[in-house]
Amino acid sequence: GAVVSQHPSRVICKSGTSVKIECRSLDFQATTMFWYRQFPKQSLMLMATSNEGSKATYEQGVEKDKFLINHASLTLSTLTVTSAHPEDSSFYICSAADGIGGNTIYFGEGSWLTVV
Amino acid sequence: QKEVEQNSGPLSVPEGAIASLNCTYSDRGSQSFFWYRQYSGKSPELIMSIYSNGDKEDGRFTAQLNKASQYVSLLIRDSQPSDSATYLCAVNYLGGGNKLTFGTGTQLKVEL
Repeated sequence: GAVVSQHPSRVICKSGTSVKIECRSLDFQATTMFWYRQFPKQSLMLMATSNEGSKATYEQGVEKDKFLINHASLTLSTLTVTSAHPEDSSFYICSAADGIGGNTIYFGEGSWLTVV
Repeated sequence: QKEVEQNSGPLSVPEGAIASLNCTYSDRGSQSFFWYRQYSGKSPELIMSIYSNGDKEDGRFTAQLNKASQYVSLLIRDSQPSDSATYLCAVNYLGGGNKLTFGTGTQLKVEL
């Protein structure tokens, strides 16, 4: 079964509104989670590293005020896309490492965001 | 800038053949290497991980790592139509924690 769960799997929102995506690690604690974005026919691009109990670390070119990340517990990280626009429509994926035997990295099922 | 390079394909192989997927990386400080399979519209699924030079076999899959040449490959034996997907090479750099850098992926098509 899935060890990292994302919700919702699909969401449609109106332009200008905000959308929250949750990422949960199941059966293990994750002090660090990662958020990726993938546009059609392109590879995964790391957006930010989510750190439990502290501020997220954003990759160059990613607006921290637009993509709010909260990692309030060892099993939950959230990504909020604020004031969404059609160009934010993408596949958002989170990942977490279980910290066991070489840190196997698991991905969530992904969340399709469509901004209309 | 740390880079991971893959041929985008598509790579077409007949059913039952061996599919060979290649990946090169730019930073010699890389320490962990992963192959993920991604079906269209789905999240990546871990196929293989490899950490030291040589071959690592798991069922029909064999990962090969050559750190001197900065090269990692994935062989799929007895290819099946269900293997048709995009294969992503990912690298974890020394000091990068669990942060992965992905290649652009190679699309594999296994034809009947």
